[in-house]
Amino acid sequence: GAVVSQHPSRVICKSGTSVKIECRSLDFQATTMFWYRQFPKQSLMLMATSNEGSKATYEQGVEKDKFLINHASLTLSTLTVTSAHPEDSSFYICSAITGLNTEAFFGQGTRLTVV
Amino acid sequence: EDQVTQSPEALRLQEGESSSLNCSYTVSGLRGLFWYRQDPGKGPEFLFTLYSAGEEKEKERLKATLTKKESFLHITAPKPEDSATYLCAVQALGNQGGKLIFGQGTELSVKP
Repeated sequence: GAVVSQHPSRVICKSGTSVKIECRSLDFQATTMFWYRQFPKQSLMLMATSNEGSKATYEQGVEKDKFLINHASLTLSTLTVTSAHPEDSSFYICSAITGLNTEAFFGQGTRLTVV
Repeated sequence: EDQVTQSPEALRLQEGESSSLNCSYTVSGLRGLFWYRQDPGKGPEFLFTLYSAGEEKEKERLKATLTKKESFLHITAPKPEDSATYLCAVQALGNQGGKLIFGQGTELSVKP
């Protein structure tokens, strides 16, 4: 299957700082990338959908000014958590697809801890 | 509203004890149903895509089937390394951009 690389895998930051998470499709061009958040023992919650060169589409209840998404190329999307607070601590996962009728491939996830 | 429900929430099996996981879905129109495996602290790993009722797919000890209302993931003679959370997701015809709607997952534990 296709490979999606997410970096970093773990990050600890102080309250009030910003953290950037990268998601790269290594061996294919991703028309669309998705960002999810996952709480312990719960399923994936979609935060936003991003297409290369256009603004991300955020799900209801997700603050676009807090979770900045940039999709600068067909192989890279970034999620920046701005002015992080402890309640932003979570597991963040990205996925990528090559077209509407194809399966999504996921990155390995990023464990964010805000102290 | 499009919805996916998985059962059971948790399943404990002995090694070699076959069983099935259920994924019930309600969507306006199904584009595809996906099964993923997720290990603790990792991202989901793709297993299968099913597109139409009656379709079946197999991979090693796993077999996925699809009807108009649900999908089953059959595990034959499981091994401890099959322990993981299995996630089911659907993609609706009406949605834009390929969004997936996930169920809450089934946590499978296989004891030796």
